Amino acid sequence: DVVLTQTPPTLSATIGQSVSISCRSSQSLLHSNGNTYLHWLLQRPGQSPQLLIYSVSRLESGVPNRFSGSGSGTDFTLKISGVEAEDLGVYYCVQGTHAPNTFGAGTKLELK
Amino acid sequence: QVQLQQCGAELVKPGTPVKMSCKVSGYTFTSYVISWIKQTTGQGLEWIGYIYPESGSTGYNEKFKGKATLTVDKSSNTAFMQLSSLAAGDSAVYYCARVAQDYWYFDFWGPGTMVTVSS
Repeated sequence: DVVLTQTPPTLSATIGQSVSISCRSSQSLLHSNGNTYLHWLLQRPGQSPQLLIYSVSRLESGVPNRFSGSGSGTDFTLKISGVEAEDLGVYYCVQGTHAPNTFGAGTKLELK
Repeated sequence: QVQLQQCGAELVKPGTPVKMSCKVSGYTFTSYVISWIKQTTGQGLEWIGYIYPESGSTGYNEKFKGKATLTVDKSSNTAFMQLSSLAAGDSAVYYCARVAQDYWYFDFWGPGTMVTVSS
């Protein structure tokens, strides 16, 4: 199975600070059809995960544009440009290029 | 609006099965795949499998073959997952999620069913 390694495991930020989360894959996530099935989720405390970004950089409808995604192949990044209080929680990357779908272990974003 | 409804919690005895439901609303049930995902503190998020509601066709993570069985009832817009012979390691929160098939991502999630296996 594809292993997704997220760093850092924990991130402390102040409101307004910009932060980045890395997701590295054990295999290239470029599918033979040319698509890259790497997505980002946020799980707020006590809630189920919600989709933020799909296919590396496509912002899900309703998600603030302070969230952005980038990367290719095996290296991907989620950036938050100006953390807000509602952004606290655990961020996961998830891949759908190779069966089975696999998730990163998560990055917990907390207030400094 | 799209909603996936799940029962909140199940307490089950070791060795017994459990069947949980995921009732959807706000979209055409047969137009989207449903996936099931397990979450534990130790193992994190694990993908269990998927089902195409229109055909009933399924696919499973090898790890959960023999453990999980996915079905649907199109008349009630409900997906089901049965877990067999429960053990302590099956205690977890189980989510159903709708799959957007263009890029195979989970765009809507249910609130989860917490399964506790205990005698």
